[in-house]
This record gives sequence, C-alpha cells and structure tokens, in this order.
Amino acid sequence: AQKITQTQPGMFVQEKEAVTLDCTYDTSDQSYGLFWYKQPSSGEMIFLIYQGSYDEQNATEGRYSLNFQKARKSANLVISASQLGDSAMYFCAMREGVGGTSYGKLTFGQGTILTVHP
Amino acid sequence: DGGITQSPKYLFRKEGQNVTLSCEQNLNHDAMYWYRQDPGQGLRLIYYSQIVNDFQKGDIAEGYSVSREKKESFPLTVTSAQKNPTAFYLCASSRSVVTDTQYFGPGTRLTVL
Repeated sequence: AQKITQTQPGMFVQEKEAVTLDCTYDTSDQSYGLFWYKQPSSGEMIFLIYQGSYDEQNATEGRYSLNFQKARKSANLVISASQLGDSAMYFCAMREGVGGTSYGKLTFGQGTILTVHP
Repeated sequence: DGGITQSPKYLFRKEGQNVTLSCEQNLNHDAMYWYRQDPGQGLRLIYYSQIVNDFQKGDIAEGYSVSREKKESFPLTVTSAQKNPTAFYLCASSRSVVTDTQYFGPGTRLTVL
C-alpha cells in the first residue's frame, strides 16, 4: 500500500495566486513527521517545511504553509502568492517513528509538477 | 558556506564497470543517506549511515556498496551487479537519523552506455 499519495500529477496556477498541493499519508505510528521538498529542473531537493504529528498548529515558512488534518491523514502544501520561480516538482515525504524497521527513514510520494503561468 | 557536495554532476559508465559517486558534507551532520530517483518518480533509499564506520541497507541496496570512514564523506559505489543503474542519485545528511530534517546535495546523473 502507498504510504504517501500525491494525487495531482500536474498543477497550473497563475502568478500571484495561491495553490494547494495535496498529500495524504498512511501510518499506524503515533509519532511521525511530514515534509515537503521542492525539486527544480536542476535536480536538487530543497527542504520547504516540516510538520510533526504532535504539533498543534499548522507549520508556516514564509509563503509556504502546511494544512495538517490529522484525522483525515492529509498534509497539503499551500503556496501563497505564486511566483514564476515556484515552477518545479514538489514532493511530500513522511518519517515514521523509530522502532521496528522504520529507523526514521523518509518515504516519498510520486510528486506533483507545478507550473506557474505569468 | 556549509552544504553538501556531490561529484561528478554527470557520469557515464559502460556495462560491467563499477563506478563511485562522491558525497561530502561540511555541516557536521552525523547521519548521511543515498537515494535513487528514476524519471517521474519519488526517491528510494539505498543506504544510510548514522555514524562513522556504521551503515545500514535501505530499501534497494542490492548492487550498491558504501563506506563511512570519515564523518564528512559517504561515497556510493554502483557495482556491475546493479541491473539497471541509470538514474539520478541524491545524497543527503541530517544531524541524526531519528529526528532531523534531511538536506540534499545537487545530485549525480548516472547513465550506463
């Protein structure tokens, strides 16, 4: 079963508008972390934002915010005021709790390609 | 500047040859990782290391080997036993395996001719 699901292969947004990238996850752990990374065409993975499973407030980092809905097991990334430089692939990832075979590894989704139009 | 460097950026290999990908970090991180990315896909963990002289297999370790003789360095060897080695390889590091954010290098694109 997929542990991280990103259902949007591609998304388009107009410059200066907000966009939401979807991510749902599956885990039986109580303690876990959720990450979003940006991968531009150059290939480097750039860390954007982190949400811990026990964090009561949604994480925010500048124009990025994470809409964390624990009961629905979703961790959507919201980008406000989109810029042309936001065009990239975006990956959601989960780190499950330590123990068993998890060893704190990251599991990645398939990614969403975001294109920002001028 | 602190960061993670990978070399070379592009690497071409003939079938049957072993090749070694370099990964160096000056972030003083204890943990280091190697991931593989195939076109249009997410990342899959090959190996990780929590401390010097220790490393563990990830999900797709077959056909790969690593060493961790220094804290700063975690080279990956793609051996001839790896059946489909053409891919993009990313190295990452974090302060610890358990709790910290992983930061990535720029990647090496390996092509088998």
